[in-house]
Amino acid sequence: SQELEQSPQSLIVQEGKNLTINCTSSKTLYGLYWYKQKYGEGLIFLMMLQKGGEEKSHEKITAKLDEKKQQSSLHITASQPSHAGIYLCGAENAGGTSYGKLTFGQGTILTVHP
Amino acid sequence: GAVVSQHPSRVICKSGTSVKIECRSLDFQATTMFWYRQFPKQSLMLMATSNEGSKATYEQGVEKDKFLINHASLTLSTLTVTSAHPEDSSFYICSAPRRDTQYFGPGTRLTVL
Repeated sequence: SQELEQSPQSLIVQEGKNLTINCTSSKTLYGLYWYKQKYGEGLIFLMMLQKGGEEKSHEKITAKLDEKKQQSSLHITASQPSHAGIYLCGAENAGGTSYGKLTFGQGTILTVHP
Repeated sequence: GAVVSQHPSRVICKSGTSVKIECRSLDFQATTMFWYRQFPKQSLMLMATSNEGSKATYEQGVEKDKFLINHASLTLSTLTVTSAHPEDSSFYICSAPRRDTQYFGPGTRLTVL
């Protein structure tokens, strides 16, 4: 089965600083999702990457999927307290029968100090 | 706005009782929905796939008789935790695909006393 490793596990930054969260897979990624979660709440969809080398941006958040499709990074520019939360990467396993089934990394807890 | 809703958001019950959690897709149809469970400070773990018009498929280690899933319509899936015990206390969250993206509900916090 696919395993996702996120790093770092937690991150504390000062407001305005840039930061990067990584997600590494033990297998080729077919559909890599990034979500944000506040503790005890649902997941907010951020971005989804499918193609090797793909990069997407939304506001101050950029996500990339490497050419080999085994690692993705999430970069936040000029972080704000509103960016604080738990960031989760999730991946679909290969194969049609696994469509929609996501395996998640353990999450990265982001704290942004004003 | 929200794409997937869940009800209730929180439920507290006594050990031995059954609890039903609803997951609804808003303004779109979902022939497949997914149920996950999240324990404190842990990530989400897929429990089962809910299929409209057919039986749910369960992940390894998930008891199908304990976690009953019914996909009643194209917009509604229900998860019933039967004879709940304190170890079933967790955060249950569903997802539904829309336009190749998985959208998650707000989750249901179950506490079994």
